[in-house]
This record gives sequence, C-alpha cells and structure tokens, in this order.
Amino acid sequence: SQQGEEDPQALSIQEGENATMNCSYKTSINNLQWYRQNSGRGLVHLILIRSNEREKHSGRLRVTLDTSKKSSSLLITASRAADTASYFCASSNSGYALNFGKGTSLLVTP
Amino acid sequence: DAGVTQSPTHLIKTRGQHVTLRCSPISGHKSVSWYQQVLGQGPQFIFQYYEKEERGRGNFPDRFSARQFPNYSSELNVNALLLGDSALYLCASSLVVHGDQPQHFGDGTRLSIL
Repeated sequence: SQQGEEDPQALSIQEGENATMNCSYKTSINNLQWYRQNSGRGLVHLILIRSNEREKHSGRLRVTLDTSKKSSSLLITASRAADTASYFCASSNSGYALNFGKGTSLLVTP
Repeated sequence: DAGVTQSPTHLIKTRGQHVTLRCSPISGHKSVSWYQQVLGQGPQFIFQYYEKEERGRGNFPDRFSARQFPNYSSELNVNALLLGDSALYLCASSLVVHGDQPQHFGDGTRLSIL
C-alpha cells in the first residue's frame, strides 16, 4: 500500500506560472524526498529534506516540511514546458525502503 | 560516469512463466533496491541488497526473489507470473544502505504479462 498521498493528482499550468504540489504521509519519518519521472523513464531525485528541517531550496525548487501535520509541499517557480512530468514524494523512516505516494502529474503548456 | 543500467528494457511473458531482470548500479554504489511501479501508481518497494545480503523486503509474495553479485550488480527473479505482475520494474542504487541518501534510478524494465 502507498505510504502517502500527493495532492492534486493532476495539475495544468502555463509556462512562467508557479506549481505547488502537496504530500501527506502516515508515519514518523527521518527524511522526505521528492522525485520527478518523465513518461516511461526512471525517477530522478530532486531534493531531500530531513525531519529537523522546515524548508529547503534548490534552484527553482522550494520544499517545506511540517512534521506536526505529516505533510510536505513542493513549489516549482517560473515553470517551463520541460517541467512536464510526474512528481512523487517518498518518505523514509530510518528503514531501507522509500515509501512513495501516487504522484502528481504536472502539465506545463507554452 | 554511467548511471544505473537495467536490462532488458521491455519484456513480454505469458502467465506461469519465469522472468529474470538485471541491474548494474552506479560504480562505487554497494546498495541496490528494486521497486515495482504499476501504471498510474507510485513505486512500491520489493527488496534492498547491500554487500550481497538482503537488508529489506517489501510486502511481495515468495514468487519474487533477488540476489546481489560480488560486483554489486543484481538480479530480480519472478516465478509463476501472473497478469498482475505487469508493471515497470525499477532498480535504484545508493552509496549506503540506509534510506537517508538519494536513490539513483535506472529507466526500468517494462514487463507485460499476456
């Protein structure tokens, strides 16, 4: 079963707009990671935020983590057509496995 | 440097058959994990191997097995294939065994069961 859920399931925006995706998880975590998957390809790691961190930036990406609400958000600023992909959050609770959500499908139109 | 490589890229099998999927990790990575991704879902953890030993197992039946070789490459074996085994099988490698490191994924093997 999936550990978490992303919201929304699908998001359609225009180039230049910001995209925000949310993730909720069920159990305590050591860290939460975000991955991108282009159609039919493998997952690409975007950013990792540890349980003692509240916010992290990487280029046009901004991730927040609220452990009291068991939730995280990913913000992509100034979106580009190349950002079109599925985005997954994955939680880790000191074990060996990453627990993925169902993903958000992002479409960025020119 | 080469990324994680998986073979074959596509595979078609019939119910009841057996399949072997292969994975070569990034050079220097000793941990290999396997995930199953059914269409429209997120990846689900199957196994993790580190230093040739199984370190974690997901909620999959005994028809699924894996091993890691001395060069850290890995095989995933699935016996008695079912229609529900149709999925993208992803391999991921990392430097260490614990889940506090980014995982580097291959492009997967697309398995179709007829």
